Amino acid sequence: AQKITQTQPGMFVQEKEAVTLDCTYDTSDPSYGLFWYKQPSSGEMIFLIYQGSYDQQNATEGRYSLNFQKARKSANLVISASQLGDSAMYFCAMREALYNQGGKLIFGQGTELSVKP
Amino acid sequence: ETGVTQSPTHLIKTRGQQVTLRCSSQSGHNTVSWYQQALGQGPQFIFQYYREEENGRGNFPPRFSGLQFPNYSSELNVNALELDDSALYLCASSSSDRGLETQYFGPGTRLLVL
Repeated sequence: AQKITQTQPGMFVQEKEAVTLDCTYDTSDPSYGLFWYKQPSSGEMIFLIYQGSYDQQNATEGRYSLNFQKARKSANLVISASQLGDSAMYFCAMREALYNQGGKLIFGQGTELSVKP
Repeated sequence: ETGVTQSPTHLIKTRGQQVTLRCSSQSGHNTVSWYQQALGQGPQFIFQYYREEENGRGNFPPRFSGLQFPNYSSELNVNALELDDSALYLCASSSSDRGLETQYFGPGTRLLVL
């Protein structure tokens, strides 16, 4: 069954420090994509980073990097040098390429990150 | 480049009424997906439209329906509103219904059913 698990309902981090948000997934599709989105209190879902199942290297986008461990089915988001503006809900999501032709993104329950000054 | 836009931003309806939510896709995108996000939950997939046809559907009843227009904008219609329909409705657009293209989301419509 398709599933995304985020085990940390809430996280605190000191400004300028790094933080890791956990995500594990379950799929039998050999081709899939993993996405991280940020959702501020305003509600808009902001795309952060993408990792394909066949990508050899971990994805990076500015201060965001994805620690992809395929054998463990984990796709943790690392935010370096946290800023106050990083305080938000963070969602991990998965999309399957072969078994899911309907474009469905499957989301986890989210992790609420609070950055302390 | 114009991002995904949604209207209205907020809406209050009473149980049993009908509602229409609107979404304009990002320029260059031909695929629109709709999601429902209840308070404290992750978004749940409602359906996707590609080339004006419903391309996939989540576990939502038929009173949730949609349209896509030739300019790729889309509508979500919900009939016979129930209290549990209160949620944030998110629209996302992408450049294809195939593969693993990133879906870009709009700001959402907050629906409250009384």
